[in-house]
Amino acid sequence: GNSVTQMEGPVTLSEEAFLTINCTYTATGYPSLFWYVQYPGEGLQLLLKATKADDKGSNKGFEATYRKETTSFHLEKGSVQVSDSAVYFCALSDKNGSGAGSYQLTFGKGTKLSVIP
Amino acid sequence: GAVVSQHPSRVICKSGTSVKIECRSLDFQATTMFWYRQFPKQSLMLMATSNEGSKATYEQGVEKDKFLINHASLTLSTLTVTSAHPEDSSFYICSASTGIGYGYTFGSGTRLTVV
Repeated sequence: GNSVTQMEGPVTLSEEAFLTINCTYTATGYPSLFWYVQYPGEGLQLLLKATKADDKGSNKGFEATYRKETTSFHLEKGSVQVSDSAVYFCALSDKNGSGAGSYQLTFGKGTKLSVIP
Repeated sequence: GAVVSQHPSRVICKSGTSVKIECRSLDFQATTMFWYRQFPKQSLMLMATSNEGSKATYEQGVEKDKFLINHASLTLSTLTVTSAHPEDSSFYICSASTGIGYGYTFGSGTRLTVV
């Protein structure tokens, strides 16, 4: 079955530090990969995505590259801000069964990031 | 962009009562909606997948008689927690998809507390 493994947190960084959150996956097919962000007390927001190998997703200074050879999708940001403090989830979408509703998301356990001034 | 509205955002109910949570796609038709449960400091656990006009498909271990899901229209899905107990207290999140595969939009979540 499909699975996503991401580094355990919490991660605490000073403002303007470099961020890496590792994510690796196991999938039977050719999944799409996502990073979602969850701010305190809120639902999930899509941060970025990549749908095929070597694609790079980017948004708000965050980047992640779909590496098929290492089955990884690590999240990076060159200079974090206090406002980036949140929980980050790596996820994959792969077809499971038939029909339009077969694309289910599999999430990692989430990594809590705290950025201090 | 696509917006999913989830209500209520917080609810406190007495043990033994039922609670209904609504998930609406505001500006698109959601052929498929997903309901997740999130435990403190843990990831999202998929509870069920519902397609408009058909019965929901529940994940293993999820009691379908306890968590009733109705997806009567292309813009509305509801989750009813029946005879709620304190162990049902959790954060519930819905997600809507157009069915194409890559478009998922999440609601803002509902914090349920059963006392």
